[in-house]
Amino acid sequence: QQQVKQSPQSLIVQKGGIPIINCAYENTAFDYFPWYQQFPGKGPALLIAIRPDVSEKKEGRFTISFNKSAKQFSLHIMDSQPGDSATYFCAASKNGANNLFFGTGTRLTVIP
Amino acid sequence: KAGVTQTPRYLIKTRGQQVTLSCSPISGHRSVSWYQQTPGQGLQFLFEYFSETQRNKGNFPGRFSGRQFSNSRSEMNVSTLELGDSALYLCASRPSGQRDGYTFGSGTRLTVV
Repeated sequence: QQQVKQSPQSLIVQKGGIPIINCAYENTAFDYFPWYQQFPGKGPALLIAIRPDVSEKKEGRFTISFNKSAKQFSLHIMDSQPGDSATYFCAASKNGANNLFFGTGTRLTVIP
Repeated sequence: KAGVTQTPRYLIKTRGQQVTLSCSPISGHRSVSWYQQTPGQGLQFLFEYFSETQRNKGNFPGRFSGRQFSNSRSEMNVSTLELGDSALYLCASRPSGQRDGYTFGSGTRLTVV
């Protein structure tokens, strides 16, 4: 049973576009929501994370929007670049537990 | 600062064999977690070790086991390999008490034939 559902599975955008990746969860005990970026042949790397006491967090060109009542969160990449082409994973964890529950990933391709 | 090092990078094994994978965490990180990554299931948590003790375990059969040494290096073992165990096995380390501090290694690609 997938505790974090992620969509879309793949996404193709033009350079400068704003890809949006969505995630949803059911477990209200989750209180930490990170996004990871993975390039081929590499492990995932933490991109940005949010806690449910805020509705939005920005770091550079990356923004997380969080809707606690809907139990949904999304990643927006502003002014996307070909170098952003990678697989993106959302994740969630509970306070006191150290493991992450990951979404199934979104393969993003940014066309020059 | 060296990252998380996993060895070997690639491994091919036959069904029924066993395999041991190794992970050296970032210096000072005492928590080591293992994840299995497959195209169909994504990343699934295997277990976490802290100060040589297993602190948390995912929903995997007993054929999957691990351990951690006093220098925080960790190994995971899979016995009686099945074709479905083919996956990328990722190790992640982090400092104590910091959920933001997860750093993943590049993984070991295991192929079972």
